[in-house]
Amino acid sequence: RKEVEQDPGPFNVPEGATVAFNCTYSNSASQSFFWYRQDCRKEPKLLMSVYSSGNEDGRFTAQLNRASQYISLLIRDSKLSDSATYLCVVSGYSTLTFGKGTMLLVSP
Amino acid sequence: EAGVVQSPRYKIIEKKQPVAFWCNPISGHNTLYWYLQNLGQGPELLIRYENEEAVDDSQLPKDRFSAERLKGVDSTLKIQPAELGDSAVYLCASSARVRSIGPDTQYFGPGTRLTVL
Repeated sequence: RKEVEQDPGPFNVPEGATVAFNCTYSNSASQSFFWYRQDCRKEPKLLMSVYSSGNEDGRFTAQLNRASQYISLLIRDSKLSDSATYLCVVSGYSTLTFGKGTMLLVSP
Repeated sequence: EAGVVQSPRYKIIEKKQPVAFWCNPISGHNTLYWYLQNLGQGPELLIRYENEEAVDDSQLPKDRFSAERLKGVDSTLKIQPAELGDSAVYLCASSARVRSIGPDTQYFGPGTRLTVL
């Protein structure tokens, strides 16, 4: 079983749609969780951290379920500029483990 | 503030040739990482430095890969000799230790896209 698993997509959605990505991780000792965004041929950039209580940043909501070892990202009111690959990331102490990423394509 | 700088941005070489990548982290960042990213995959850690010390190189293929960060600032990653399967994007990232527990935010450079023919 891979350490971090994501549906690679692509997810094709129209502008304004709500879309959700899921991620599962295998290491129950993982301590920190993140979503990174990677545009085509660009470097990954931190989108948001994920906290046990759930957290929201504008149109983006992240949730963590430690019991199920499951992380989610919800994007509301999708914009064309949201088109990118979203990487689920888990961490022990210092090392980040990345999923393969889920590609999102938002169309007009 | 300048971000993580990497050079070259692109490199095309023939197999069995040597190649080197250079990274200059964000000023003041004591931790530096080298990652490898294959197409359709997430980045995979090759080596992590705390200042000039390599604290995690367990995923670095030491038969052909080497890295150094002599003065605890910029770093070089070398492959010798390169193989066809080494074609990938090599990403450098850096972070500053601001929290006593948990990982610090990593900032990535633009990467070096290597093509081995």
